Amino acid sequence: DTGVSQNPRHKITKRGQNVTFRCDPISEHNRLYWYRQTLGQGPEFLTYFQNEAQLEKSRLLSDRFSAERPKGSFSTLEIQRTEQGDSAMYLCASTEGGTGYGYTFGSGTRLTVV
Amino acid sequence: KQEVTQIPAALSVPEGENLVLNCSFTDSAIYNLQWFRQDPGKGLTSLLLIQSSQREQTSGRLNASLDKSSGRSTLYIAASQPGDSATYLCAVAYYGGSQGNLIFGKGTKLSVKP
Repeated sequence: DTGVSQNPRHKITKRGQNVTFRCDPISEHNRLYWYRQTLGQGPEFLTYFQNEAQLEKSRLLSDRFSAERPKGSFSTLEIQRTEQGDSAMYLCASTEGGTGYGYTFGSGTRLTVV
Repeated sequence: KQEVTQIPAALSVPEGENLVLNCSFTDSAIYNLQWFRQDPGKGLTSLLLIQSSQREQTSGRLNASLDKSSGRSTLYIAASQPGDSATYLCAVAYYGGSQGNLIFGKGTKLSVKP
């Protein structure tokens, strides 16, 4: 158990560029979540997967955002045509089951759009 | 609307003091409540998970309580140390909410002075 791993740790991009983040959950965890956190706020839910199926997406996840979890292992979160408002910490978490289980979070990816 | 509120937003104490952080939630129909620690620019570290059927959980110098009827949880930190300085986040998983959706408070920023 090496924990939840996120890459890259930091990403600086110019407005309008596309970016992709990766999350590797704990291997035996079948649920994977993406959250976004802006300065001074708590994390906000974006989307989650059970195995390879994306079961829910928040209204925060605009059409420019897409997430995948091929083969039910790692997940990627892509943001197209980035905007300055996308600057935030993107956090990934995993659990081994449903809502009754505790969440294990990764260290996050800090995105800065300039 | 399901909300989580944390008071105070910031707290500064001298080393060695015992302290209490507060978390309130608007709906008593919860699966569980989880306390996290977040260091500046970092991800979330899980501290304690309390299931809805439990009243408290303890880990080392930390004790978390849950009172569903009043919609409150407290995190008690005994004999605080400078290394405890961080932001503490409370998160609730609600019945009837999204299966993937933890609702977070904005956190309490704790500073322990040597």
